[in-house]
Amino acid sequence: DAGITQSPRHKVTETGTPVTLRCHQTENHRYMYWYRQDPGHGLRLIHYSYGVKDTDKGEVSDGYSVSRSKTEDFLLTLESATSSQTSVYFCAISESGQRPYEQYFGPGTRLTVT
Amino acid sequence: DAKTTQPPSMDCAEGRAANLPCNHSTISGNEYVYWYRQIHSQGPQYIIHGLKNNETNEMASLIITEDRKSSTLILPHATLRDTAVYYCIVREYTLGQNFVFGPGTRLSVLP
Repeated sequence: DAGITQSPRHKVTETGTPVTLRCHQTENHRYMYWYRQDPGHGLRLIHYSYGVKDTDKGEVSDGYSVSRSKTEDFLLTLESATSSQTSVYFCAISESGQRPYEQYFGPGTRLTVT
Repeated sequence: DAKTTQPPSMDCAEGRAANLPCNHSTISGNEYVYWYRQIHSQGPQYIIHGLKNNETNEMASLIITEDRKSSTLILPHATLRDTAVYYCIVREYTLGQNFVFGPGTRLSVLP
């Protein structure tokens, strides 16, 4: 398995509080992604990063921000959490090179906003 | 704007081959077919990918029709641990492009 860890693995927070989720990789892959998974929606891309300090929006980026100050870390921040952001969040990585860029996923963070 | 169509669920007897179909009739020439699976509450796991030719690795085989409008993922000897949701995804060979996961096929391997 790719060396991807996510922290925390579970979090319960109150509406209106800020929350930061961390993704850490030991594979030195260039690209990192944040997805959310909700029943009936499959996985949806929130943001992704194509290098240190280089990020872009995905399909469902409203209410989320990201930062990548080091190759190995990609942070997802909910500035003011809402109940609609209750979800399971997955981080993924992909490498540059000759292989067609399959993504490898972390174990997920289950976030509950009350 | 789903690019793929999969049956919502399938059953397979343990030890038998599991054949999971996927329809991607609008696939373009530079798009690959990827398969992932997700075991309950875990992150998605990459299985295999292909462009035109059939592919095989230690986990599975991928059979792509000549017109590339459909494909089949084959797990040759399914085990109980293969029970999962299987996703067929079509995307370009472009670094940074996200994977769009649809609802997939829920495979249940039965003892």
